[in-house]
Amino acid sequence: DAMVIQNPRYQVTQFGKPVTLSCSQTLNHNVMYWYQQKSSQAPKLLFHYYDKDFNNEADTPDNFQSRRPNTSFCFLDIRSPGLGDAAMYLCATSRDAGWETQYFGPGTRLLVL
Amino acid sequence: SQQGEEDPQALSIQEGENATMNCSYKTSINNLQWYRQNSGRGLVHLILIRSNEREKHSGRLRVTLDTSKKSSSLLITASRAADTASYFCATDESGTYKYIFGTGTRLKVLA
Repeated sequence: DAMVIQNPRYQVTQFGKPVTLSCSQTLNHNVMYWYQQKSSQAPKLLFHYYDKDFNNEADTPDNFQSRRPNTSFCFLDIRSPGLGDAAMYLCATSRDAGWETQYFGPGTRLLVL
Repeated sequence: SQQGEEDPQALSIQEGENATMNCSYKTSINNLQWYRQNSGRGLVHLILIRSNEREKHSGRLRVTLDTSKKSSSLLITASRAADTASYFCATDESGTYKYIFGTGTRLKVLA
């Protein structure tokens, strides 16, 4: 009964080589989020979609992009990964905007060599 | 932007004891949530408490909210080894769809 699925669970990429992380949901939620979490730190919001409306955080590097082709799927593209981008990337959904519970996927751990 | 700060950063207790962790935040909120994260995994929602509520219970969990002090506490009673995890509070940023996560408390329950 997986609700928020992230693939792959582990991703190894080379410095500067584009990488795409995938998130899908079976909850039919309107909002999808991408967070970056570095070791022993709080999850940091990169951006979110409310339906098709994209909302970027002011301090999210241009290197990070996102696509949401339909309600179920959302992708995180890192155009030129640097060593500092190695982290856990968490996808989350919520039913609607506002004061809603967020449902998280298991995360994708990205390693940059 | 506001961020919850959690205290203590790390907590180690014996199985069966109670664990209390605290979260403080900076500005007015609509609600506050607590999440658990097992090592290397995603976050799991525990409890949501709204700004007009003072206390909520869920099983062995008790959450309190004091909006005058801008603080919340999470109490886990009769802890178990399986409660070993990091616990984060998250506060909504008023007028947006965003939650800001605190720095987390790493709880270790010793069997």
